Amino acid sequence: QKEVEQDPGPLSVPEGAIVSLNCTYSNSAFQYFMWYRQYSRKGPELLMYTYSSGNKEDGRFTAQVDKSSKYISLFIRDSQPSDSATYLCASTVTNAGKSTFGDGTTLTVKP
Amino acid sequence: NAGVTQTPKFRILKIGQSMTLQCTQDMNHNYMYWYRQDPGMGLKLIYYSVGAGITDKGEVPNGYNVSRSTTEDFPLRLELAAPSQTSVYFCASSYSGDGRDEKLFFGSGTQLSVL
Repeated sequence: QKEVEQDPGPLSVPEGAIVSLNCTYSNSAFQYFMWYRQYSRKGPELLMYTYSSGNKEDGRFTAQVDKSSKYISLFIRDSQPSDSATYLCASTVTNAGKSTFGDGTTLTVKP
Repeated sequence: NAGVTQTPKFRILKIGQSMTLQCTQDMNHNYMYWYRQDPGMGLKLIYYSVGAGITDKGEVPNGYNVSRSTTEDFPLRLELAAPSQTSVYFCASSYSGDGRDEKLFFGSGTQLSVL
């Protein structure tokens, strides 16, 4: 079993839709939870960073962590075509560079 | 503002050949990392470095070597290339390894095919 499992997708939504991207993890020691966005043929870029349980909001993006159920979510409101990318969740005990990554969910937002 | 720069962007190797993937960063970051990303998969850590002269293995180090003689540069060496090393390679850096304040910056990747 992988330590971080991500809903595989792909996901296709109309512009303006609310998008929910989800991951589960198995390592109870994970403390830091990240979401990366990766455009085609580009390196990942950090989108959201959450410590422990709770919600974090940044503009149209909300990251949610529920440590009791080991569930990680990213919500995108009012989705835009520019949000079309692969989204990777990642978790780590201490060092973000040593994160365990999910396999990614590819999102397409259609105009 | 260059950030993390990787060269080359693409490379085709024959089985048994060797090559070095170059990575340099201009942000004075202490921590540097090498990952590989296979199609449809997440990133797997190959090697990392916490400062000049210090390197350590990640999850999938076999078939690779690294060195860190300066803060800026972190080359990845492939010896005796094998088809299983066909992948996209990403270099990343961060200022610290402190999870709470850490942010990873990635290069744009090197696509490597071993035929």
